[in-house]
Amino acid sequence: AQSVAQPEDQVNVAEGNPLTVKCTYSVSGNPYLFWYVQYPNRGLQFLLKYITGDNLVKGSYGFEAEFNKSQTSFHLKKPSALVSDSALYFCAVREASGTYKYIFGTGTRLKVLA
Amino acid sequence: GAVVSQHPSWVICKSGTSVKIECRSLDFQATTMFWYRQFPKQSLMLMATSNEGSKATYEQGVEKDKFLINHASLTLSTLTVTSAHPEDSSFYICSARDPEGGSIGYGYTFGSGTRLTVV
Repeated sequence: AQSVAQPEDQVNVAEGNPLTVKCTYSVSGNPYLFWYVQYPNRGLQFLLKYITGDNLVKGSYGFEAEFNKSQTSFHLKKPSALVSDSALYFCAVREASGTYKYIFGTGTRLKVLA
Repeated sequence: GAVVSQHPSWVICKSGTSVKIECRSLDFQATTMFWYRQFPKQSLMLMATSNEGSKATYEQGVEKDKFLINHASLTLSTLTVTSAHPEDSSFYICSARDPEGGSIGYGYTFGSGTRLTVV
């Protein structure tokens, strides 16, 4: 069975500092991995995805993520955090076939302090 | 890019009444749509997968008779919460799969969500 783990409920970082939001996954085949961001009372906004190719994936708003197959991780990173980055971040894995359902992690709340 | 419109964005209803939430794909035909439920400070829980023209597939533990899903056209799926109770209060989000693949989320786009409050 596929699963996604986000070990941190909340991450605090000072504005201007680099940030990392952790995600590990478990899949039986090739992983399709995603990061989404959610602002209060809003739906999910796509940040980036890994399907195949380069392990370092660049996405929206300056975010990037590194796919590490040996560690089964897909951590989200940004070199310099902004206060406006404060939101709820979800890592997700998607089935490669069948119904193509997403499996979401429990979410990590990022708080960027001014 | 692909856009999914979800309405209403928020609704308050009395206990015992039914509420319908609509999810529309605006610029593409969605053969598959997903309905999620999100509790405060928790992750998204997949409720069901709806395929155009066929019955929805519900996840284990989701009451089919309470959460009626209809996907009668390629651009519209509806979720009806029947005989709503306060414990049904939650944030409901739909997602649509663009069969052409799309450029966002590898063919998936999420609606902006509906906040349901049952009083």
